[in-house]
Amino acid sequence: SAVISQKPSRDICQRGTSLTIQCQVDSQVTMMFWYRQQPGQSLTLIATANQGSEATYESGFVIDKFPISRPNLTFSTLTVSNMSPEDSSIYLCSVAGTRKGTQYFGPGTRLLVL
Amino acid sequence: DAKTTQPTSMDCAEGRAANLPCNHSTISGNEYVYWYRQIHSQGPQYIIHGLKNNETNEMASLIITEDRKSSTLILPHATLRDTAVYYCIVNLDSGYALNFGKGTSLLVTP
Repeated sequence: SAVISQKPSRDICQRGTSLTIQCQVDSQVTMMFWYRQQPGQSLTLIATANQGSEATYESGFVIDKFPISRPNLTFSTLTVSNMSPEDSSIYLCSVAGTRKGTQYFGPGTRLLVL
Repeated sequence: DAKTTQPTSMDCAEGRAANLPCNHSTISGNEYVYWYRQIHSQGPQYIIHGLKNNETNEMASLIITEDRKSSTLILPHATLRDTAVYYCIVNLDSGYALNFGKGTSLLVTP
């Protein structure tokens, strides 16, 4: 199974600023995903990040607000730009596992925007 | 992707079997049923998945009806650590991102 770490684990930010979240995997993976989980809600997919290509964003999420980088097969970053209190959420990355149907999730980054 | 319907919450006594139902009446022939759970303050954890046959692993059993319109996740001997939100997801394969619904909040009580 893949081991995924995220940095930071939590942060408190001021509105108007930006935060970059890092996702590190202990093995090479093709597909990585970024999710958002708003307080008391389920997970919502933000985008899919494949190495060597532009990220694919879901409806309601745009690159200017959530730019993603995928420089290699073990690392990705998600930036939350020009933050507002509505961006307060848990942000999670995940990877598709080698076993069919499996995805492994990071522990999440808890963001509070004041 | 087919949608799923799950009860909002369930209780289970510690040591008893927890049976979590899921309806997916619009599932197509090549879609799998996946179960994940999310323990408080953690990322989701894969539990089990199946296509049409019943499946069992070290964590749970998955029973899929013959018409594949519903399934049940069984935790045979629930413990307090099984308290979590359980998500039933229908998806093609691991190459696609998961569409999480609201899930079932399972509370295991002493």
